[in-house]
Amino acid sequence: GQNIDQPTEMTATEGAIVQINCTYQTSGFNGLFWYQQHAGEAPTFLSYNVLDGLEEKGRFSSFLSRSKGYSYLLLKELQMKDSASYLCAVRDSDSGYALNFGKGTSLLVTP
Amino acid sequence: EAQVTQNPRYLITVTGKKLTVTCSQNMNHEYMSWYRQDPGLGLRQIYYSMNVEVTDKGDVPEGYKVSRKEKRNFPLILESPSPNQTSLYFCASSGQATAYEQYFGPGTRLTVT
Repeated sequence: GQNIDQPTEMTATEGAIVQINCTYQTSGFNGLFWYQQHAGEAPTFLSYNVLDGLEEKGRFSSFLSRSKGYSYLLLKELQMKDSASYLCAVRDSDSGYALNFGKGTSLLVTP
Repeated sequence: EAQVTQNPRYLITVTGKKLTVTCSQNMNHEYMSWYRQDPGLGLRQIYYSMNVEVTDKGDVPEGYKVSRKEKRNFPLILESPSPNQTSLYFCASSGQATAYEQYFGPGTRLTVT
């Protein structure tokens, strides 16, 4: 089974840095993903971690600790267009490599 | 352009009237899946397919059917839709089950009255 937890809502100021946490429990960990989703649109891929450590991609970074079942997405130099839902997803090799999603964190960036 | 397409994008129908939502990808991907997204519940997998003629249930398969006769197409069939299937549906594909990125279609908003 899966249990993926992330905060429901966060608010941050334009230009600031925000960290969105995700904790998970899974029997067959095969990678952790972060997606961005604007209201009514399809999720778009942001990052992928399968080994412990930090992956950096422009303004976005993602960190993974497999032993702690923990990841975070770090967004720097926030822009108004970063207001969106951020989805943490874990792939489970014990269930056909299905992507299991958390409920998402709604981020509001204010001026 | 590499993409996943879904049709229709919006559909309002009545209880019990069979419908099919089509999904097609032009990237020669082996792995395809269907999700539904509901407020407060997030994205939940309905069915997935590892390759042609290979499909399996996800977390919420009740009331749905799928088929994978060709690599590019993965239709979602609702034989007898009910109001609790009102939702936003996404199709996704990736090169293999272990690929690092899934590409999502634009979504189909279904309302069953």
